[in-house]
Amino acid sequence: RKEVEQDPGPFNVPEGATVAFNCTYSNSASQSFFWYRQDCRKEPKLLMSVYSSGNEDGRFTAQLNRASQYISLLIRDSKLSDSATYLCVVNPYTDKLIFGTGTRLQVFP
Amino acid sequence: GAVVSQHPSWVICKSGTSVKIECRSLDFQATTMFWYRQFPKQSLMLMATSNEGSKATYEQGVEKDKFLINHASLTLSTLTVTSAHPEDSSFYICSVVRSGRNTIYFGEGSWLTVV
Repeated sequence: RKEVEQDPGPFNVPEGATVAFNCTYSNSASQSFFWYRQDCRKEPKLLMSVYSSGNEDGRFTAQLNRASQYISLLIRDSKLSDSATYLCVVNPYTDKLIFGTGTRLQVFP
Repeated sequence: GAVVSQHPSWVICKSGTSVKIECRSLDFQATTMFWYRQFPKQSLMLMATSNEGSKATYEQGVEKDKFLINHASLTLSTLTVTSAHPEDSSFYICSVVRSGRNTIYFGEGSWLTVV
């Protein structure tokens, strides 16, 4: 079983749609969780950290379920500029990051 | 501005030659840096942890004699791909963690093409 698993997509959605991505992780001792965004041929950029209580940043909402070892990202009112690959990232120990394969999102007009 | 600088951004080399990629922490000292590799349509895979003043720690399956890592100062780590082959063509990227702030910074990445 992979340490971090994501649905690779692609998700093709119209502008204004709401889309949700899911991610599961295998190491129950993992401490930190993140969503990163990666544009084509670029380095990943932090979108948001994921906290146990859930957190929201504008149109983006992240949720963590430790019991199910499950993370989610919800994007509301999708914009064309949201088109990218979204990486679920888990920090199991000592600053190491384990990346999911990413979920590709394509927002169309 | 950039916190981590990686150079070169793009490099094309002939099969059998060696290529050096630099990763510099611009704003703070970094005793630990990480090197990742990403093949097309795949995830970033951790290759090794670069430790200042000591040997790098390699992940399982990564050849330490092929991917030489040197972390001679608190702001610079280098990755040398030795005797490069076309299958080494990939996106190589470094990251630095700012201790105390639990913040991770990535370099811009280096695209290596071996012909």
